[in-house]
Amino acid sequence: QKEVEQDPGPLSVPEGAIVSLNCTYSNSAFQYFMWYRQYSRKGPELLMYTYSSGNKEDGRFTAQVDKSSKYISLFIRDSQPSDSATYLCVTGTASKLTFGTGTRLQVTL
Amino acid sequence: NAGVTQTPKFQVLKTGQSMTLQCAQDMNHEYMSWYRQDPGMGLRLIHYSVGAGITDQGEVPNGYNVSRSTTEDFPLRLLSAAPSQTSVYFCASRKDSGVILNEQFFGPGTRLTVL
Repeated sequence: QKEVEQDPGPLSVPEGAIVSLNCTYSNSAFQYFMWYRQYSRKGPELLMYTYSSGNKEDGRFTAQVDKSSKYISLFIRDSQPSDSATYLCVTGTASKLTFGTGTRLQVTL
Repeated sequence: NAGVTQTPKFQVLKTGQSMTLQCAQDMNHEYMSWYRQDPGMGLRLIHYSVGAGITDQGEVPNGYNVSRSTTEDFPLRLLSAAPSQTSVYFCASRKDSGVILNEQFFGPGTRLTVL
């Protein structure tokens, strides 16, 4: 069993939709949570990070962490074609990060 | 700032050949690392360095060597390439080795095929 699980997609939504990307993890020692975005043929770039349960908002993006159920979500409001990318869920401890395989999102006009 | 740069962008090797993937950063970052990315798997850490002269193994170090003689450069050497090393390789850096929430900056990647 992988330590971090993500549905690979692709997830296709129309422009303007609200997108929900989800991730589960198995190790209760994980205390840091991040979302990276990776455009095709590019390196990943950090979107958001948090280390506590609850919501964290940044513009159109909201990261949600529920440590009790080991569930992580990323919500994108008013999705744009420029949001089309693969979203990597990342979690871990102070010494090690574990990357999910990513969910590919396609936002269509 | 150029950020993290990697060369080459693409490489095809034959089994048994050796090569070095180059990585450089101009942000004076303490921590540098190499990952590989394979279909159906998350990024996996190969080797990392917490400063010049200090390197350590990550999750999948076999078949790879690294060195860190300067803060800026962190080359990855494939000693004797095998088809299982076909992958996309990413170099990354972050400011402080001890602060895991610091943003990691990734290079554009090297696509390696071993025949």
